[in-house]
Amino acid sequence: DGGITQSPKYLFRKEGQNVTLSCEQNLNHDAMYWYRQDPGQGLRLIYYSQIVNDFQKGDIAEGYSVSREKKESFPLTVTSAQKNPTAFYLCASSSGTGDGDTQYFGPGTRLTVL
Amino acid sequence: DAKTTQPPSMDCAEGRAANLPCNHSTISGNEYVYWYRQIHSQGPQYIIHGLKNNETNEMASLIITEDRKSSTLILPHATLRDTAVYYCIVRSPHTGNQFYFGTGTSLTVIP
Repeated sequence: DGGITQSPKYLFRKEGQNVTLSCEQNLNHDAMYWYRQDPGQGLRLIYYSQIVNDFQKGDIAEGYSVSREKKESFPLTVTSAQKNPTAFYLCASSSGTGDGDTQYFGPGTRLTVL
Repeated sequence: DAKTTQPPSMDCAEGRAANLPCNHSTISGNEYVYWYRQIHSQGPQYIIHGLKNNETNEMASLIITEDRKSSTLILPHATLRDTAVYYCIVRSPHTGNQFYFGTGTSLTVIP
């Protein structure tokens, strides 16, 4: 069953702790993305990666870090430097080529900072 | 990327066609029109996209006006499971170009 998986679905962390969100895809896509969504709002891009071992900052990268050691995986770390980390985090991937470069999204991880 | 304008909410009777409009008057020549939907607390689901021609797939039809300044997503026979927020996005097809999701149209399908 092909697709994008994110884990965990719900995550709680204490203030001041770093936390890592997982994103895995088996679609053989080159490009992967992390977005953040706040209640009633649209999505905002945190980081994206077009190829293994390379990634670029999006609009709201401060307080976040990523790695892309494998094509299938693009984990996101929310650091203690992120001022308002409570949000819904979405991972997406795309082939990077072809008609329109459609992005496909995972189910999301809801992070709550206590 | 061009900005889009959508009505904040719409209702549709179950079994009827749902027609969701989108204005994108500043769209440029290489920008595609995409539609996604998001059911509460889930990731956005891709529906359809197009450049100039009308498109149809198993989920919906996309009608793009000749001047490309507006489009309509048609769900031919709406069901209760189609209740969601629908996003219209225009975007040039380059990897790394993010999808700018606005606040979309909240569609409620009524029994």
